Amino acid sequence: GESVGLHLPTLSVQEGDNSIINCAYSNSASDYFIWYKQESGKGPQFIIDIRSNMDKRQGQRVTVLLNKTVKHLSLQIAATQPGDSAVYFCAETPWFGNEKLTFGTGTRLTIIP
Amino acid sequence: EAQVTQNPRYLITVTGKKLTVTCSQNMNHEYMSWYRQDPGLGLRQIYYSMNVEVTDKGDVPEGYKVSRKEKRNFPLILESPSPNQTSLYFCASSSGLTNEKLFFGSGTQLSVL
Repeated sequence: GESVGLHLPTLSVQEGDNSIINCAYSNSASDYFIWYKQESGKGPQFIIDIRSNMDKRQGQRVTVLLNKTVKHLSLQIAATQPGDSAVYFCAETPWFGNEKLTFGTGTRLTIIP
Repeated sequence: EAQVTQNPRYLITVTGKKLTVTCSQNMNHEYMSWYRQDPGLGLRQIYYSMNVEVTDKGDVPEGYKVSRKEKRNFPLILESPSPNQTSLYFCASSSGLTNEKLFFGSGTQLSVL
């Protein structure tokens, strides 16, 4: 079956440095990708999204990069802060507006003071 | 404040004892969904609802029931819980126009003994 997965389950980054979280997906027909952040004891929270007709999208301190050739997605967080410590999930859906999201297993990001 | 409210936050029960986890949203969202989160497996969709009286199975619906009698409420029912339903459950909602901005509840940690 199709799956969305992450390369690394944990990532530790020095405060102030940039972090990169990676995600591989296997469904070449996936059209829409989303990154979620889940802090301890809370539900996932939307961070940023990207459609398959784009390679890059920027938000506030975050950038998502999409490489459709190798089916790879990454989330870059600039100048990490302690509040960035969380589990980050990528999710994909076959088309924009489709109600079925497939989530990856998550990467735990720890910011070292 | 816009939110998705789940109750209870923690629940310990025994095999076979029927239980209901409630979910309510105050954003007039059409789309609501239930997920379970297990270590190493990420978030998996149980059931979803596109509108009142419209529900559909997700990826792991076995052993669960839902109902959508009102727009704001989407309870998850376990008629005869089993230990393999021990998990962290999340309810989510969105406007339904696009599902990227899913709003998640804070989660319900269920233990079935």
